[in-house]
Amino acid sequence: SQELEQSPQSLIVQEGKNLTINCTSSKTLYGLYWYKQKYGEGLIFLMMLQKGGEEKSHEKITAKLDEKKQQSSLHITASQPSHAGIYLCGADMEYGNKLVFGAGTILRVKS
Amino acid sequence: DVKVTQSSRYLVKRTGEKVFLECVQDMDHENMFWYRQDPGLGLRLIYFSYDVKMKEKGDIPEGYSVSREKKERFSLILESASTNQTSMYLCASSYWGLAGGPGELFFGEGSRLTVL
Repeated sequence: SQELEQSPQSLIVQEGKNLTINCTSSKTLYGLYWYKQKYGEGLIFLMMLQKGGEEKSHEKITAKLDEKKQQSSLHITASQPSHAGIYLCGADMEYGNKLVFGAGTILRVKS
Repeated sequence: DVKVTQSSRYLVKRTGEKVFLECVQDMDHENMFWYRQDPGLGLRLIYFSYDVKMKEKGDIPEGYSVSREKKERFSLILESASTNQTSMYLCASSYWGLAGGPGELFFGEGSRLTVL
């Protein structure tokens, strides 16, 4: 969706390097969700952020939502081949019950 | 273990055929969704349902219809398949979230449809 811009579109990193993926909207995000997808499979939930300034971590993945609640970043520390896949951000932009998704970021990790 | 099951992982159909994609969830979720995923476009919402027999159009409903006769089952129907409907179709379900939004979505494995 153009309502949610993800960058970069794709990323190749050397194993062990850090990386950041961004998700930006022109509208206030009531809830921001990060998902990971292995090629040809369904999406796996990573994290959800709702409050401005909120930050959550799971293993080596950290996600933040800015104070204005219009931008989120996903940061992976010391990347591993198991981190490879497609990362998608999804957002609840209005008081409703559907999520809008970004186009996704393809991550490849070179050993 | 929570589960969203899509009936077919891979389908090949001919132009003009009627196609049924079935989705079943075992989590007693109110909300169910059908998305299609295409390279460079991400996930686009086709239809969603927040209750039995209720349905709402998403962003790209043209050429599709849905059916939700039971809470656990949400079907996507392509009345007359066309080649531009070749895509990966993903079903998802969720509770109502704390802030009134959809909450965490649980996805099925996806159904890859090819229309020849």
